[in-house]
Amino acid sequence: KAGVTQTPRYLIKTRGQQVTLSCSPISGHRSVSWYQQTPGQGLQFLFEYFSETQRNKGNFPGRFSGRQFSNSRSEMNVSTLELGDSALYLCASSFLGRHNEQFFGPGTRLTVL
Amino acid sequence: GENVEQHPSTLSVQEGDSAVIKCTYSDSASNYFPWYKQELGKGPQLIIDIRSNVGEKKDQRIAVTLNKTAKHFSLHITETQPEDSAVYFCAASDNNNDMRFGAGTRLTVKP
Repeated sequence: KAGVTQTPRYLIKTRGQQVTLSCSPISGHRSVSWYQQTPGQGLQFLFEYFSETQRNKGNFPGRFSGRQFSNSRSEMNVSTLELGDSALYLCASSFLGRHNEQFFGPGTRLTVL
Repeated sequence: GENVEQHPSTLSVQEGDSAVIKCTYSDSASNYFPWYKQELGKGPQLIIDIRSNVGEKKDQRIAVTLNKTAKHFSLHITETQPEDSAVYFCAASDNNNDMRFGAGTRLTVKP
């Protein structure tokens, strides 16, 4: 089985711009969760989608949004980028949900200048 | 909600020695405890997990122990090798679809 894939792997944006990140889960997995990883804050949960519905949401501002398509692929969007949004964005797929086994992708490294 | 604390934040061992990383959790309803290994430039990789109905689980050189009464669980790596060098994360979750991660431990294995 192919693992979780994320595109793009690296991204450089400037403040005020918006960005869309993509995640393709393991085949058969319906849950996709997104995390922000920074050296100071560790792994912070953004949101989880399960069968196209947002099931859980972390404590992030409304500039962070996401969606999931019928094939379980998910996208995450960040609008009006700020310098503090620079981070590694990870997605994880799971068959049952994020409270169970999760398999992470390689991440998208976002740099905001 | 759940709070997971992980210690130590950095650990340096000599090749061949054992390494132990400990985590404590606050929510007694937590019932699933995975461990992840993250190498430089990669996403976290699930290396072992344990559920609350089991006290210990082993997979080759890696073992995890769980003490539900004390609400702590530990990762044990024996006969460490340089390729074990990475950041290790513990996590705890319950059936309310919540999973919290520890802050991570940077393990360095010196040849």
